[in-house]
Amino acid sequence: EAGVVQSPRYKIIEKKQPVAFWCNPISGHNTLYWYRQNLGQGPELLIRYENEEAVDDSQLPKDRFSAERLKGVDSTLKIQPAELGDSAVYLCASSLFLGGLNSPLHFGNGTRLTVT
Amino acid sequence: KNEVEQSPQNLTAQEGEFITINCSYSVGISALHWLQQHPGGGIVSLFMLSSGKKKHGRLIATINIQEKHSSLHITASHPRDSAVYICAVGRGSQGNLIFGKGTKLSVKP
Repeated sequence: EAGVVQSPRYKIIEKKQPVAFWCNPISGHNTLYWYRQNLGQGPELLIRYENEEAVDDSQLPKDRFSAERLKGVDSTLKIQPAELGDSAVYLCASSLFLGGLNSPLHFGNGTRLTVT
Repeated sequence: KNEVEQSPQNLTAQEGEFITINCSYSVGISALHWLQQHPGGGIVSLFMLSSGKKKHGRLIATINIQEKHSSLHITASHPRDSAVYICAVGRGSQGNLIFGKGTKLSVKP
């Protein structure tokens, strides 16, 4: 089966510019996650979708970050404007969440963002 | 204090050595995940377990629910095992995972 696909793989932008990341989850997975991972740290959740509904966006900096998952399949994460501190790896993951339990998460390869 | 603590943070081993990475957590969980992350960012799920022990090839994961502790063992380690190993816990009705900071393993030939 095809894995979680993310693009772009790398992105370098100047601060104050906008940037967008795209994720296509594994077919049939109803839950999609966006994580941010700083160097030497574990991933931190930004937003979790169940189908097209954002069920946990408490950690998403809503003044500059936005996300959408139209039709409950692929998703985009946007930052506008980007700040130096946004430099990180942005990971997308998907799983099948049923009955209160997750199937193992499948991660994409991530987008490494560098803000200069 | 983090809800998920891993030890050691960094580990260097010689090829062939038996390796143990530990994970302790302070919250009630529905399942614990062990993940592997190679340089470049890709994360692979190794195990998901809620009790007992699982084995896959040279990898063994154990969990003690009463002690809130899990271990990941690698037998006959190889340089290709060099990666960051991350412990993460799932909390029942919450679909999110809480991640540890990872253990960076380097296996020297």
